[in-house]
Amino acid sequence: QQPVQSPQAVILREGEDAVINCSSSKALYSVHWYRQKHGEAPVFLMILLKGGEQKGHEKISASFNEKKQQSSLYLTASQLSYSGTYFCGALDSGTYKYIFGTGTRLKVLA
Amino acid sequence: GAGVSQSPSNKVTEKGKDVELRCDPISGHTALYWYRQSLGQGLEFLIYFQGNSAPDKSGLPSDRFSAERTGGSVSTLTIQRTQQEDSAVYLCASSFTAAGANVLTFGAGSRLTVL
Repeated sequence: QQPVQSPQAVILREGEDAVINCSSSKALYSVHWYRQKHGEAPVFLMILLKGGEQKGHEKISASFNEKKQQSSLYLTASQLSYSGTYFCGALDSGTYKYIFGTGTRLKVLA
Repeated sequence: GAGVSQSPSNKVTEKGKDVELRCDPISGHTALYWYRQSLGQGLEFLIYFQGNSAPDKSGLPSDRFSAERTGGSVSTLTIQRTQQEDSAVYLCASSFTAAGANVLTFGAGSRLTVL
């Protein structure tokens, strides 16, 4: 069963902040975040390997709570280039299936 | 190669025909994944290879779908007797190994349209 992301879609003005959540019914040992722009392939943003870990990449950061089986992606002072669909991804350690979340469509307006 | 290469980039076929989609992963990547993405939808897991082996084929939508990988490199996804609901973008990704710490690199995808 794929991780569930919320919200499904969000519209922002340039400079506003957003949080995207990823929740799994299965234990998570690592979480990846990808962004897919319209008509393009998904591109890796960051990976979180340990429970409670937080990482940052410019104005995009993420946290991972292993106990709650949740991860969140934080976008601060959003830019037009942040528009796209964001997916969390996780490896099923039993089957090695790599499953993506339901996706969150983000639109940043000028 | 430098990146994941997929061919064809676009394929239009008639219902009932067979199609083959090819994926050439990054050199040295032992894990290879196939996903299907219908218009405006998420990434549906199809199959995964570690080397030439596919440990789990349960993601394939029906027995019309099959995939193989030879020489631990190129993979082919075959769809027999295509149906209109098979229309989608088929994405291939590879990673160094299947472990959770490794990042997936995607190809540009093969857009399949079944008329």
